[in-house]
Amino acid sequence: GIQVEQSPPDLILQEGANSTLRCNFSDSVNNLQWFHQNPWGQLINLFYIPSGTKQNGRLSATTVATERYSLLYISSSQTTDSGVYFCAVSPMSGGSNYKLTFGKGTLLTVNP
Amino acid sequence: DSGVTQTPKHLITATGQRVTLRCSPRSGDLSVYWYQQSLDQGLQFLIQYYNGEERAKGNILERFSAQQFPDLHSELNLSSLELGDSALYFCASSVEGQGSAGELFFGEGSRLTVL
Repeated sequence: GIQVEQSPPDLILQEGANSTLRCNFSDSVNNLQWFHQNPWGQLINLFYIPSGTKQNGRLSATTVATERYSLLYISSSQTTDSGVYFCAVSPMSGGSNYKLTFGKGTLLTVNP
Repeated sequence: DSGVTQTPKHLITATGQRVTLRCSPRSGDLSVYWYQQSLDQGLQFLIQYYNGEERAKGNILERFSAQQFPDLHSELNLSSLELGDSALYFCASSVEGQGSAGELFFGEGSRLTVL
């Protein structure tokens, strides 16, 4: 099946710093989503971005589908940004094109 | 609030028991997905239903079963529970596009502890 690799696995920042999280995937995709799992376990949708660039406040994301990677940018980080960031994809073809496969996530800790 | 409702939020039970987790999808979404999140396995796809029919199956154990009812809510039944079944179980729903799941929205999860 499709492989999803996220980097870095862990990231520690001071409040106010910027960061870039990366997601590499092994096949063409028809769906790519970024999620934030907060310390209470909730999975919050950040972006639905199978291709292109989107921005939402301090967060933005870019997916370069032809090169099979996506980037999530967090600017001016806040302590509330702490948690695990997941990238999830589903392949363009084959029997799994309705199923989201998750990466292992990036654990972000933002210190005050 | 994603619009996906899961109950119960927390559940503690004993080995060998059976539990049922319930999910109500967002209004208008025909697809329901179940995922399991454990510390060692990460987020794993279990099963998908579309308008009452099973569409895709993932790493779901034979002791587990699910269904989607005519009102589109879904239930995940876990039986003969083992310690290793302790996990966070998520339900998600989506409006499917052409050949794609579309954007999935997740409920808050049901945290199952098996003692």
